[in-house]
Amino acid sequence: QVQLQESGPGLVRPSETLSLTCTVSGFSIANGYYWVWIRQSPGKGLDWIGNIYQGRSTYYNPPLTSRVTMSADTSKNQFFLKLRSVTAADTAVYYCAAMVRGASFDYWGRGTLVTVSS
Amino acid sequence: EIVLTQSPVTLSASPGGRATLSCRASQSVSDNLAWYQQKPGQTPSLLIYDASTRATGVPARFSGSGSGTEFTLTISSLQSEDFAVYYCQQYNNWPPMYTFGQGTKLEIK
Repeated sequence: QVQLQESGPGLVRPSETLSLTCTVSGFSIANGYYWVWIRQSPGKGLDWIGNIYQGRSTYYNPPLTSRVTMSADTSKNQFFLKLRSVTAADTAVYYCAAMVRGASFDYWGRGTLVTVSS
Repeated sequence: EIVLTQSPVTLSASPGGRATLSCRASQSVSDNLAWYQQKPGQTPSLLIYDASTRATGVPARFSGSGSGTEFTLTISSLQSEDFAVYYCQQYNNWPPMYTFGQGTKLEIK
């Protein structure tokens, strides 16, 4: 069973960089699947942020491309999210997830709330 | 960008009854559509993928149908644990792109 756990600061100041880590257990991220970040703004819907595959190939949601970087450390079975120049609009619950077939989100972490505020 | 519109925004139904939720895509997504359930304070959970295939462990009372631009999630014989928010989600193979509908809240009547 694949399990994912997000970690990182719960408060980020405007204009700074949001950095999150997802630690995966039950499956080696180097062996396949697509590893994903999704966010959900308070009281709103879900937005796909981006994918990373086999620790190197990345795909981002076009509106976020200029501010997002995803990376991975296969030796630690972790992948990462960096979102630069954040504003209050980036306040959300951030989920890491896994796609088995690159189509739907099969496994999810519990999510971590990140608030952007001074 | 493909936009998914879910209706209704809120649906009231009775335990034991039937609920029909709709998802419309702004352009054809073939059968590249999934449904998720999110209970209050919890993580979304995959119910249906490829428009009509139930995910592992999902009860048979959940069924998905449709293709192209019109999709339906049907929940028969509603149980108390089924009252939640439901999202549809489409996926585009290349370039990879994933969008969600705004959700339908299924509440107890």
